[in-house]
Amino acid sequence: ETGVTQSPTHLIKTRGQQVTLRCSSQSGHNTVSWYQQALGQGPQFIFQYYREEENGRGNFPPRFSGLQFPNYSSELNVNALELDDSALYLCASSPGLNTGELFFGEGSRLTVL
Amino acid sequence: GIQVEQSPPDLILQEGANSTLRCNFSDSVNNLQWFHQNPWGQLINLFYIPSGTKQNGRLSATTVATERYSLLYISSSQTTDSGVYFCAVSMNRDDKIIFGKGTRLHILP
Repeated sequence: ETGVTQSPTHLIKTRGQQVTLRCSSQSGHNTVSWYQQALGQGPQFIFQYYREEENGRGNFPPRFSGLQFPNYSSELNVNALELDDSALYLCASSPGLNTGELFFGEGSRLTVL
Repeated sequence: GIQVEQSPPDLILQEGANSTLRCNFSDSVNNLQWFHQNPWGQLINLFYIPSGTKQNGRLSATTVATERYSLLYISSSQTTDSGVYFCAVSMNRDDKIIFGKGTRLHILP
C-alpha cells in the first residue's frame, strides 16, 4: 500500500511568483485535503477535493486554487506569492468525504523571499 | 464555525511520567483524530476516535462526544514522545477540517 507522497519537499520562490505543489493520495482514497501550517501554528484547512470537485474551503483567498485528477492525485496552486505564504503545506488523503482517517504526506516547505 | 481548544498549550515532564492532553470542541463532530507531529513536520496518526476509547501500547484515547471533549493519555513517557500533539475534527454538515493549536510536549531525560 503506497502512502501519501508530496513534491517538492522544499522550494524557494520570490514574491509575486506562482507555485504548484503536488500530492499523490494513498491507494484506494478518493478525497484529498490541503493545509497550510505556519511556524508554531496548527494546520489551517485550505480546501478539500472529492472525486475531482472542490468540496469545502477554508478562509483562503482565490489565489489559492487546486485540482484533483482522475487518479485522485491533486495539485495546489498559489498565485502572486506573498511573504506570509511561507509555510509548510500538507496534503492528506482519506477514503471518503468526511469519513475515516486522514493520512498525511511529509509536506512541502515553501519559503517566499 | 466549530472551535477546537487544546490544553495545556505546553507540558514539560520527566521521563517515565504520565500525561493527559485534552481537546474540547464546540459542536457535534463525526470525525476526530489525534496526531503527533514529528520534528520533520510529518503528522503521524495516533487515533481515529469520534467516540469511545482506544488503546495502542502506552497511548490511549477517549472521546465523550455528548460532552464534546477528547483526552489523549500517554503513560511512562519517553523522550521520543516529545513533539506537538494535535487533535482535528470535522462535522457532517460542514466540510471543513479544523485543527486545534496543539500541545507541545517536552519529555526530559
